[in-house]
Amino acid sequence: DAGVIQSPRHEVTEMGQEVTLRCKPISGHDYLFWYRQTMMRGLELLIYFNNNVPIDDSGMPEDRFSAKMPNASFSTLKIQPSEPRDSAVYFCASRYRGTGELFFGEGSRLTVL
Amino acid sequence: KNEVEQSPQNLTAQEGEFITINCSYSVGISALHWLQQHPGGGIVSLFMLSSGKKKHGRLIATINIQEKHSSLHITASHPRDSAVYICAVRGVQTSGSRLTFGEGTQLTVNP
Repeated sequence: DAGVIQSPRHEVTEMGQEVTLRCKPISGHDYLFWYRQTMMRGLELLIYFNNNVPIDDSGMPEDRFSAKMPNASFSTLKIQPSEPRDSAVYFCASRYRGTGELFFGEGSRLTVL
Repeated sequence: KNEVEQSPQNLTAQEGEFITINCSYSVGISALHWLQQHPGGGIVSLFMLSSGKKKHGRLIATINIQEKHSSLHITASHPRDSAVYICAVRGVQTSGSRLTFGEGTQLTVNP
């Protein structure tokens, strides 16, 4: 398996633009997580899904952020409109309930100018 | 006080030294993870523990549930071990699979 795949790896955009980050979890994993990492706040959980259903979105900063998981092999995190304070590295991770071990993607580095 | 505290925050060692990174937590947990992140890189899960001890190559992780404490040991350290090591716990009281992260330990191993 290729592991958790995220795209794009880097995104530079201007304030007010829509940003869509994508994630393909490891096949067979039933949990998918979106994390954000900044120097100031470290790693923060934004939202996680179990069997494609959002379970806990209490970490989503505000209504500008939305996440979907239309099927077991794809998830998106959308920011609309983007703001400079959204600049961070966004990680997707997946987990199989049976083992509990987490597998992270390489991250998407977002810069909002 | 953070729920998860790591020490030290920064650690510099010479190649070959034995290294210990500590993690203390204040809540009941169902699992503890040790993660590794190289500069500018992704995050790799090293261990997931709920009790006892695990070993993988030169890395050893231990956990003492009663004392709410875990340690990550690196034997015969090497410059390629230079990275940030993050402790994360899954609490029994928190929502399902939510992890609480420590602030990380920056390890630098000099040749």
